[in-house]
Amino acid sequence: ILNVEQSPQSLHVQEGDSTNFTCSFPSSNFYALHWYRWETAKSPEALFVMTLNGDEKKKGRISATLNTKEGYSYLYIKGSQPEDSATYLCARNDYKLSFGAGTTVTVRA
Amino acid sequence: GAVVSQHPSWVICKSGTSVKIECRSLDFQATTMFWYRQFPKQSLMLMATSNEGSKATYEQGVEKDKFLINHASLTLSTLTVTSAHPEDSSFYICSASRRVSNEQYFGPGTRLTVT
Repeated sequence: ILNVEQSPQSLHVQEGDSTNFTCSFPSSNFYALHWYRWETAKSPEALFVMTLNGDEKKKGRISATLNTKEGYSYLYIKGSQPEDSATYLCARNDYKLSFGAGTTVTVRA
Repeated sequence: GAVVSQHPSWVICKSGTSVKIECRSLDFQATTMFWYRQFPKQSLMLMATSNEGSKATYEQGVEKDKFLINHASLTLSTLTVTSAHPEDSSFYICSASRRVSNEQYFGPGTRLTVT
């Protein structure tokens, strides 16, 4: 199991503001990085699967970048809305997933 | 598509009893299912990987005789926590995939409290 770290652990954002947070992971023998969005009492929902260094993926107002050489990924939320409130998990995939502890985002109206 | 359910969503049991948690893929056939555990403020930790019709592969430190996993069909895997103790109280969550290393689809999890 790999050491995957996410920071910050939690953050509060005013509605309309943009925010970003980090996932760092061991860079050696990299295969893929996953981002999930997990709302309370629901199943984690897949956001992105990223494999190539320099990858940038976008889904609505949420986007992510990947740097496999230095071992980090950023997730960005543009113009945060209350429905973006959730815990965002990243996981490195080496044919099994090693998760970070998540960043919990709370968007205040 | 790719919906995974878990039952029960929460359970309270007495120390020494056994508890069974079900994980079902509702609209696809899951060749592989995964069981994770999460303690408060910690990350999801993989407990075991099960392939349909074969024995589960357990991660280091996970007792296979305590956490019995059965994956008898392509849509159902069960986790039985045997002789549960308070330290087994945790959040257990399963995921399912069509092939190993492909996307995993998660259930909503089961909160187990052992008194």
